[in-house]
Amino acid sequence: QKEVEQNSGPLSVPEGAIASLNCTYSDRGSQSFFWYRQYSGKSPELIMSIYSNGDKEDGRFTAQLNKASQYVSLLIRDSQPSDSATYLCAVTSGSARQLTFGSGTQLTVLP
Amino acid sequence: DAGVIQSPRHEVTEMGQEVTLRCKPISGHDYLFWYRQTMMRGLELLIYFNNNVPIDDSGMPEDRFSAKMPNASFSTLKIQPSEPRDSAVYFCASILNWGPSGYTFGSGTRLTVV
Repeated sequence: QKEVEQNSGPLSVPEGAIASLNCTYSDRGSQSFFWYRQYSGKSPELIMSIYSNGDKEDGRFTAQLNKASQYVSLLIRDSQPSDSATYLCAVTSGSARQLTFGSGTQLTVLP
Repeated sequence: DAGVIQSPRHEVTEMGQEVTLRCKPISGHDYLFWYRQTMMRGLELLIYFNNNVPIDDSGMPEDRFSAKMPNASFSTLKIQPSEPRDSAVYFCASILNWGPSGYTFGSGTRLTVV
């Protein structure tokens, strides 16, 4: 069983819409949760981190965490064509420092 | 801050040859990670170091792979002998202990073994 699963893509949304990206994880001991954005041919870059249940907002991005359901999501409001990328969910477990990544969801924002 | 620096950016080699990938972490970062990314398997952790000491190498696929960190500013990942299935993008990342900043990734090395 894959440890971190993301909703299958690709996902297409029109410009200005809300993009919703979902991720579930299998380890209940998971402590820290991250969303990375990766443009084609580039390295992943961190866009959000979340550690506690609830919502965390940063500009147009909102991360949501529900540890009971082992679920973390990323909402992108007012989506722009420049948001078109692959979004990777990543999780750490317990005291470990290594990140386990999901397979990613490819998002395309259509102008 | 120059970020995490990897070299080379691209490497094309013939099967059976030795390949060495290099990484310079951000100064002061005490954790260094090597990941491999392929379309089929996504981002996989190969090995990570804390204060230059290997902590977990369970992701290293075979004995053909080895990694070293002789000092705080340099790490290598070596594949000997290389095989076509080793073709992937190899990323190095570093962090300072732990915190909200997460990993900083290098630009990656795209390895092609023919």
